[in-house]
Amino acid sequence: SAVISQKPSRDICQRGTSLTIQCQVDSQVTMMFWYRQQPGQSLTLIATANQGSEATYESGFVIDKFPISRPNLTFSTLTVSNMSPEDSSIYLCSVGDRLNYGYTFGSGTRLTVV
Amino acid sequence: GENVEQHPSTLSVQEGDSAVIKCTYSDSASNYFPWYKQELGKRPQLIIDIRSNVGEKKDQRIAVTLNKTAKHFSLHITETQPEDSAVYFCAATATNRRNTGNQFYFGTGTSLTVIP
Repeated sequence: SAVISQKPSRDICQRGTSLTIQCQVDSQVTMMFWYRQQPGQSLTLIATANQGSEATYESGFVIDKFPISRPNLTFSTLTVSNMSPEDSSIYLCSVGDRLNYGYTFGSGTRLTVV
Repeated sequence: GENVEQHPSTLSVQEGDSAVIKCTYSDSASNYFPWYKQELGKRPQLIIDIRSNVGEKKDQRIAVTLNKTAKHFSLHITETQPEDSAVYFCAATATNRRNTGNQFYFGTGTSLTVIP
């Protein structure tokens, strides 16, 4: 399965600032996904990052708040903009596994907004 | 869209007993059902999966069953061990042979505690 390097692993940020999270995959993948996992909760899809086109956002998530870049088939970034304490969460990137159809997840970014 | 429900939300079992977690889904187009284990502070890890053309799949102490008619699938862990303690998530998606990146719909998770 793919190996994903995600960074930073954690950060504490001031409200009103922005944080960019990076995911690097060791192989080319068609689509990358960004999830949010609030404490004790399930995984909620934020958007699908498509190479060469704009990301596709799920209901409740907008590009101005969560801009995504996908410059090539092995890399993507998610920015959490104008942060508020409600954005405190774990953010995970993931990719599809061609062999098994399952997802492989990055190690996650634990974000705390103060 | 798909709606995945998962029960129970918490489950405690004695070491050596079996644990069963159940999920239901709503979209009859869903044809792939993975299960993930997430230990505290770690990423979700795929532990077993099943496709809609199979009714049951087993991997050592872990098994998954699927009832397409009733739209439900279950995770069975036998001879539980303390290291099985984690949060387990089910998921559902509709895949096709060309696209391995379909959106997964996750259940709400089951926190399993195995008591030594």
